[in-house]
Formats: sequence, C-alpha cells, structure tokens
Amino acid sequence: DAEITQSPRHKITETGRQVTLACHQTWNHNNMFWYRQDLGHGLRLIHYSYGVQDTNKGEVSDGYSVSRSNTEDLPLTLESAASSQTSVYFCASSVSSSYNEQFFGPGTRLTVL
Amino acid sequence: GQQLNQSPQSMFIQEGEDVSMNCTSSSIFNTWLWYKQEPGEGPVLLIALYKAGELTSNGRLTAQFGITRKDSFLNISASIPSDVGIYFCAGTEAAGNKLTFGGGTRVLVKP
Repeated sequence: DAEITQSPRHKITETGRQVTLACHQTWNHNNMFWYRQDLGHGLRLIHYSYGVQDTNKGEVSDGYSVSRSNTEDLPLTLESAASSQTSVYFCASSVSSSYNEQFFGPGTRLTVL
Repeated sequence: GQQLNQSPQSMFIQEGEDVSMNCTSSSIFNTWLWYKQEPGEGPVLLIALYKAGELTSNGRLTAQFGITRKDSFLNISASIPSDVGIYFCAGTEAAGNKLTFGGGTRVLVKP
C-alpha cells in the first residue's frame, strides 16, 4: 500500500547540532510539506515543495532547510538545533494544485537539550 | 497571517449524543478540510469540501462548506468513545496548496 513515512519517530539532540528528519512517500505526489505542531500554536508550515528541485518557505522557516532531489523524499534539516525547535514535526503530501487534500505522516518528536 | 477560529476549543461527549463544531475565517476559502488526530499520530483526513453549500458525509460524520465560504461545520452523530481526539479544520484561500489550520477542538468523554 502507498504510504508516507517519517524517521526517526523520536530524536533527542543537543543545541547546535545539525539534525535531519526524513520524509518518504510512495504515492508519487508532487507536493510535499513540513509542519511543526506545538501546544497553543496548532500546525504551522515550515517549508513546502511543488516538485523536484522546487522548495518554498512557509511561515516559520527560519533555522530550517529542505531539498527535493526526487519525487518521493523531502528531508528537513535543522542547521544548528535550538531549544525553541523542540516540537513534533509532521510531513504531508498532496497530489497536485487541483486537490488540496494533504495526507500526513506519523510525525517525529524532536527534543533539543 | 490568516487565522482560522475553531470552536469550541474542547468538548465532552456522552455516548450516543450528537455534537458539532465549527470553523470561521475572516476571508473567503476555496477548500475546507476536516482532520482528526489521535495521540502520537498524524492528522487523518476525514472530509474534504470544495463547493459553497456542499454537505458531505463520512459515516457518522457530516461536514458543510458554509454558503458565505467563510465557515465550515462538522457534526458527529451518535458519539462513541473512539470519537475522542482532536479535530482540526483546515482550508485554502486560493488556488494553491497551502493549508491554514484551526487551533483544534479537543473531544473528550464525559466522566
């Protein structure tokens, strides 16, 4: 069955370290998104991509980067992790610009000490 | 940026009763989506709405795209314990793919 997976599911790291969270989908969706979820803020968009080699900043992109070298993967990198980046991160994908239905992965809980 | 106001923030359900929640925006939306999230999992899409006035059901769930295009409603009929979770509304303002999310309605079981 087609799906969207995230790894790792849990990660503890130290301030200043570089961290990469993986997202992989097998639906062949063009669009992929990264969100963070924090109490009191709901889901906030970090970065998104509409296709290979396309990346765009969301509302909370500072301190994060993404790259899209193939259709299936959109890794999220924290260049220098900060305690404010402790959160639950969700990846999502959707088919195209005609349909806005996004399908979410199971999430990665990141703790920055 | 655009905010979606979702209410109530939380509610208690008793098995068998009908409950409803709503989502409002200050601008016109082209799409309304409703998701449910359970602890430790990602949001799961329940219902998608694409036309003003549209009423769509998924089992005991019914959602409506408000006629003004600035609101949407979700009803759960005959609640059961597994309806517990957080329900999020989301929508897009224009022909794009960026979703704006509401703050969620936490559904709990009455003790």
